[in-house]
Amino acid sequence: GQQLNQSPQSMFIQEGEDVSMNCTSSSIFNTWLWYKQEPGEGPVLLIALYKAGELTSNGRLTAQFGITRKDSFLNISASIPSDVGIYFCAGRGTGNQFYFGTGTSLTVIP
Amino acid sequence: NAGVTQTPKFQVLKTGQSMTLQCAQDMNHNSMYWYRQDPGMGLRLIYYSASEGTTDKGEVPNGYNVSRLNKREFSLRLESAAPSQTSVYFCASSELSGRRNQPQHFGDGTRLSIL
Repeated sequence: GQQLNQSPQSMFIQEGEDVSMNCTSSSIFNTWLWYKQEPGEGPVLLIALYKAGELTSNGRLTAQFGITRKDSFLNISASIPSDVGIYFCAGRGTGNQFYFGTGTSLTVIP
Repeated sequence: NAGVTQTPKFQVLKTGQSMTLQCAQDMNHNSMYWYRQDPGMGLRLIYYSASEGTTDKGEVPNGYNVSRLNKREFSLRLESAAPSQTSVYFCASSELSGRRNQPQHFGDGTRLSIL
């Protein structure tokens, strides 16, 4: 299957700091998604991206669809304790399957 | 606003036992999916159903079967459970993809342990 490399694997940051994470794939994708998962729950969609170069915001979250169509980025500004969780990227090419990254675990220290 | 509902939430099985995981969605979505989530490996697709009446293998289908019972329900069956199938299983649904690949909405998962 497709390989999605997500980095960093984990982050420990102070409240108020900005966060950046990224995802790269071995092939071109037509859609990139970013999810957040909290303990004991399923992933919840944060942002969906459909076009190369697209930049989309959802509150303090901003995600970008890379120009090469092989990468995507998620930024969180002014982090707060409730941002804690695991963030997953997912990408989809021409088929029906989404492929998921291995996740970035975010810890926010008050 | 139930969204995607999975049952049971937790289950412990002995090796060789069979089990069916249930999933239902109330969003009138055409496509449904089953994933497993293991530590450090993200989500891997087991099977999916692009529309009612069709099912297709995903990345890790061995040891599983699925049934798309109707538009709302998509079940995952383990015929003879093995310890390697200990995992958290997630069901998801989405609109049938057209010009845009619609995002998936997930249930809260079934935590399955096989001894």
